[in-house]
Amino acid sequence: GDSVTQKQGQVTLSEDDFLFINCTYSTTTYPTLFWYVQYPGQGPQLLLKVTTANNKGISRGFEATYDKGTTSFHLQKASVQESDSAVYFCALVGGGNYKPTFGKGTSLVVHP
Amino acid sequence: DPKIIQKPKYLVAVTGSEKILICEQYLGHNAMYWYRQSAKKPLEFMFSYSYQKLMDNQTASSRFQPQSSKKNHLDLQITALKPDDSATYFCASSQDLGGNQDTQYFGPGTRLLVL
Repeated sequence: GDSVTQKQGQVTLSEDDFLFINCTYSTTTYPTLFWYVQYPGQGPQLLLKVTTANNKGISRGFEATYDKGTTSFHLQKASVQESDSAVYFCALVGGGNYKPTFGKGTSLVVHP
Repeated sequence: DPKIIQKPKYLVAVTGSEKILICEQYLGHNAMYWYRQSAKKPLEFMFSYSYQKLMDNQTASSRFQPQSSKKNHLDLQITALKPDDSATYFCASSQDLGGNQDTQYFGPGTRLLVL
């Protein structure tokens, strides 16, 4: 079956630091890949989505590239702000499916 | 205005009791879902509905019963509550069911604590 791995449980940065959150996946299909962000007390919100047709997603300064070779979908941001502090989830929906498989999430803490 | 409403925001229940979690979406979507999020596990898919019909049930226990009285409503009834049911329950919706490019939108969640 499909699986998503986020190895980093928590990432702690200072404002203006570069952000890199690791996500790797496994699937036998042509998936759509998602990054969701969850702020305290809220539900997950879509941050960006990438399909096989467009390998890169960009939103609010965040970007992720779908790399079939390494089966990775890492999230990056050049300069984080304190307001980016949240939990980030990588998710995969396999081709022919609709149910997302979520990673465990990475908690980002940004200090001013 | 919130597009997906979940009530209540917080819920405390005693073991063995029954509770109903409410979800309404105002996005005009045809598909609705329930997910559970607990401290020890990733976000878990529970149910999917399309046009008020149950399409998929990934919950092992029959104590969890979704109920859809209208196309934009999907409530979750939980009976014989156990402490292990303590979690945050999220409702979600998407335009349609099927197609891996269809984005799901999540509500704010109901945080359930079973004592």
